[in-house]
Amino acid sequence: GAVVSQHPSWVICKSGTSVKIECRSLDFQATTMFWYRQFPKQSLMLMATSNEGSKATYEQGVEKDKFLINHASLTLSTLTVTSAHPEDSSFYICSAAGTGGTGELFFGEGSRLTVL
Amino acid sequence: LAKTTQPISMDSYEGQEVNITCSHNNIATNDYITWYQQFPSQGPRFIIQGYKTKVTNEVASLFIPADRKSSTLSLPRVSLSDTAVYYCLVGSRGGSGYALNFGKGTSLLVTP
Repeated sequence: GAVVSQHPSWVICKSGTSVKIECRSLDFQATTMFWYRQFPKQSLMLMATSNEGSKATYEQGVEKDKFLINHASLTLSTLTVTSAHPEDSSFYICSAAGTGGTGELFFGEGSRLTVL
Repeated sequence: LAKTTQPISMDSYEGQEVNITCSHNNIATNDYITWYQQFPSQGPRFIIQGYKTKVTNEVASLFIPADRKSSTLSLPRVSLSDTAVYYCLVGSRGGSGYALNFGKGTSLLVTP
């Protein structure tokens, strides 16, 4: 199956700093990628849809100025958490849409963000 | 959007067959049904996908009745390593919100 890789897998930062998480499709071109956030013992919550070459579409309640998404190429989307605070600590997961028409998603390994 | 409903949790012993049912009453004509497995602190992993009837691969079977309003993931002879959360998603590329429908999932606990 298709491979999606996230980096870093975990990051610890101080409050007020910004953190960038990368999501790469390694063996296919992903015109659409998705970013999720998952709190402990909860389900994945979609944050935004990232389309190559255009602005991301954010879900209701997600601050686009705080969670900057860039999808500049067909294999890379980035999520930048700006001015991170402890409440932003979470597990962030990206996925890429398969090229077929069946709606299959390929997920990255996830990135654990801890804001001190 | 096709909302999905699954049992919150299930328990099983090693070696038994586990069936997890997902309800999706308003599934659209173009929607596929996809099941994912997630271990703690990992991204979800694709298990199986189907449109209708029965699909089988090396790890699971997926049963979909004719009305497609539900589906059942069947895991044969589970082992301890099958302890995970299982999500049923319904959607299709090009349809609206096919990446949205992560319900609460089913937490499966397999014990010796």
